Amino acid sequence: EAQVTQNPRYLITVTGKKLTVTCSQNMNHEYMSWYRQDPGLGLRQIYYSMNVEVTDKGDVPEGYKVSRKEKRNFPLILESPSPNQTSLYFCASWEASGNLLFTDTQYFGPGTRLTVL
Amino acid sequence: AQKITQTQPGMFVQEKEAVTLDCTYDTSDPSYGLFWYKQPSSGEMIFLIYQGSYDQQNATEGRYSLNFQKARKSANLVISASQLGDSAMYFCAMEVNNFNKFYFGSGTKLNVKP
Repeated sequence: EAQVTQNPRYLITVTGKKLTVTCSQNMNHEYMSWYRQDPGLGLRQIYYSMNVEVTDKGDVPEGYKVSRKEKRNFPLILESPSPNQTSLYFCASWEASGNLLFTDTQYFGPGTRLTVL
Repeated sequence: AQKITQTQPGMFVQEKEAVTLDCTYDTSDPSYGLFWYKQPSSGEMIFLIYQGSYDQQNATEGRYSLNFQKARKSANLVISASQLGDSAMYFCAMEVNNFNKFYFGSGTKLNVKP
């Protein structure tokens, strides 16, 4: 089954304690991205990756790191979490067609609800 | 600047009636794609429909259609014959910049009444 998995699904932590949220896809997609969802703001792109070892910032990268050492995995790292990073996080993957006639449908993971105290 | 605006935080519709969810976008890029996603209370993001900026015809997918008015920069979602299962949050999104960057609106919460 084609899917994007995220772990953990729920996490409560304290300010300053480093954490990693894992994301893995089994569709051999080149593109992956992390989003955060906050009430009234929709989803905002944190980082995205076009391929192994190729990443770039989205709209809200501050306080986050990513790495793409393998095509299937794209972990999100919060080295020193703060309460304003409490949010619902989504990982997504897609195969960009390079052609607007075809939809670059993103496949989303189930989400990780993070609370930073 | 790239921006998606959804001006309806919440809407009600009677079961079996049609409903239109509004979305306007702003971009200076001539090449872009527009998406609608559904997020039920369980939280997952479900792709509904897509429209490319060069598409001449409005996209349709079953009960979903996208009313694309390029000059007005609007991409409204029309759901025909609403069902109780349509109750969810709906997000409009735009893809620009060589298909790497995505921008989402703030969402519209749709409630379908029996």
